[in-house]
Amino acid sequence: DAGVIQSPRHEVTEMGQEVTLRCKPISGHNSLFWYRQTMMRGLELLIYFNNNVPIDDSGMPEDRFSAKMPNASFSTLKIQPSEPRDSAVYFCASSLGPSRVYNEQFFGPGTRLTVL
Amino acid sequence: KNEVEQSPQNLTAQEGEFITINCSYSVGISALHWLQQHPGGGIVSLFMLSSGKKKHGRLIATINIQEKHSSLHITASHPRDSAVYICAAYSNTGNQFYFGTGTSLTVIP
Repeated sequence: DAGVIQSPRHEVTEMGQEVTLRCKPISGHNSLFWYRQTMMRGLELLIYFNNNVPIDDSGMPEDRFSAKMPNASFSTLKIQPSEPRDSAVYFCASSLGPSRVYNEQFFGPGTRLTVL
Repeated sequence: KNEVEQSPQNLTAQEGEFITINCSYSVGISALHWLQQHPGGGIVSLFMLSSGKKKHGRLIATINIQEKHSSLHITASHPRDSAVYICAAYSNTGNQFYFGTGTSLTVIP
């Protein structure tokens, strides 16, 4: 099994540019999570999908952030326009089962985003 | 105010030592997760607890719901256990995860 796949692994962009991060969950998993990790704030849950439907986006920082899951095998997290404070490592995780609480999550390797 | 506090922040141990990492939380929770983040950045889910105790190999996790406290124990520690350990508590009122800031463990051969 390939595990959760994220692309790109590293992204450097300039302030104001649009950034799109991609995630392919483990085949058969029906829940998907986007996290952000910074030194200052640690790990934060941004949004959670179940069966391709966004269930809880209360962690999305502001309107510049948007996430989609058009099908069971693909999700995107978009930042438009990007700002230096968005610099972080973004993780995608997936789990088998609908519960964000009781099901084990499998994490991707992360995308390190640097906004100059 | 942090809803989840971990201690210690940093821990250095000799190979073979018994290690305990603590996690205290102030909110009512449905479950608590322990995560391991390797030096390269990858994250692995170790345990999900809602009560009692779980064991996997040399790792043991316990939770005391009344005292709002969880511990992660590592027996016979090994240098490959060197990582950051993060606890995450899922609130049963706010329906959100609260993450600890992590405990950085270094095991010296």
